[in-house]
Amino acid sequence: DTEVTQTPKHLVMGMTNKKSLKCEQHMGHRAMYWYKQKAKKPPELMFVYSYEKLSINESVPSRFSPECPNSSLLNLHLHALQPEDSALYLCASSQVDGREQYFGPGTRLTVT
Amino acid sequence: QQPVQSPQAVILREGEDAVINCSSSKALYSVHWYRQKHGEAPVFLMILLKGGEQKGHEKISASFNEKKQQSSLYLTASQLSYSGTYFCGTERDTDKLIFGTGTRLQVFP
Repeated sequence: DTEVTQTPKHLVMGMTNKKSLKCEQHMGHRAMYWYKQKAKKPPELMFVYSYEKLSINESVPSRFSPECPNSSLLNLHLHALQPEDSALYLCASSQVDGREQYFGPGTRLTVT
Repeated sequence: QQPVQSPQAVILREGEDAVINCSSSKALYSVHWYRQKHGEAPVFLMILLKGGEQKGHEKISASFNEKKQQSSLYLTASQLSYSGTYFCGTERDTDKLIFGTGTRLQVFP
């Protein structure tokens, strides 16, 4: 199984809402990632978890809060977002040590 | 810090060849190549771990010149399915993949 799943596929939220994005993989990968992608731009790294510990935070605003409950799951908690946070949020996983990353289909987020 | 890709866009007829270049201003640990079709997630193509390494994947191959901090992706005898945006991704630290600016490739019959 080489699949990374993400829910929901689409999310519309107001600036005062709290929501969560979910990501799951069952490939035994111990590194998981969150990326943000704006239209016609490359994915931008947000967070990296390695062995369920946050190893990289690319200076992401605190209104984005990642969580890794176990080795298969990755969440991204959203609170008080801004319209400019509207984007495609991609989750990925890989073996540790910089191997190929497998991406989920993404969550298209719209902040109104 | 973000790798720069050239060209920004390529239009091909089926069967034609293309080269996409990826250049970094910093020393590289490895280079990844991904293809992303419109509305879909990026899909891994290949990774190059050593300077001078060349790898192939069907009619798509790549090279990595560590000294020049460059990588090139070669697409030969292009097919309609090759259409999409190609991203290189470079690592200077383990697990920290920085994607390049992207090259949009369109293949027409």
